[in-house]
Amino acid sequence: AQSVSQHNHHVILSEAASLELGCNYSYGGTVNLFWYVQYPGQHLQLLLKYFSGDPLVKGIKGFEAEFIKSKFSFNLRKPSVQWSDTAEYFCALDSWGKLQFGSGTQVVVTP
Amino acid sequence: KAGVTQTPRYLIKTRGQQVTLSCSPISGHRSVSWYQQTPGQGLQFLFEYFSETQRNKGNFPGRFSGRQFSNSRSEMNVSTLELGDSALYLCASSLEAGGATDTQYFGPGTRLTVL
Repeated sequence: AQSVSQHNHHVILSEAASLELGCNYSYGGTVNLFWYVQYPGQHLQLLLKYFSGDPLVKGIKGFEAEFIKSKFSFNLRKPSVQWSDTAEYFCALDSWGKLQFGSGTQVVVTP
Repeated sequence: KAGVTQTPRYLIKTRGQQVTLSCSPISGHRSVSWYQQTPGQGLQFLFEYFSETQRNKGNFPGRFSGRQFSNSRSEMNVSTLELGDSALYLCASSLEAGGATDTQYFGPGTRLTVL
């Protein structure tokens, strides 16, 4: 059965620091992977997605993620965070229209 | 283009009652999926509808049901509400069902509180 694991549940960092959130998956087929973000009081928004091709995917707001097949990983990165990046981040695996989500990582960016 | 809309945004019900939630997908999107979000269980898939047919179903009891109309709008129904059904119910739409390159876009959710 497929699964998605996010190892960091809470991350606190200062503005301008670099961010990397881990995501590992377990799935035997072709993977379609997503990172969604949920800002306080707002709905889930798509940050970026990987379907195929270049394993380094760029998304909105300066985020990027790297798909490493050999490690079953899809880690999210941002070189320099801002206070406005405070949010909950979810990694998700698509299995024929059914999204399997990780448990989420709450990120708090302090000024 | 308008996003996914969900009504109502907030609901308070008592145990044993039933509830119906509504979702209007993005114009042109034909697939609608429903998810339950709770602090303890996170985001869990309920079911997916495409062309008025349920295509996928998650691991929820039969009290949870849904349907899709010819205009792609969808409703989900929860009967005999339990306290544990308190959650944020999210609707997501995508162009097609189960396509390899589909992206699901989420609505704001309906916050259901069961007393």
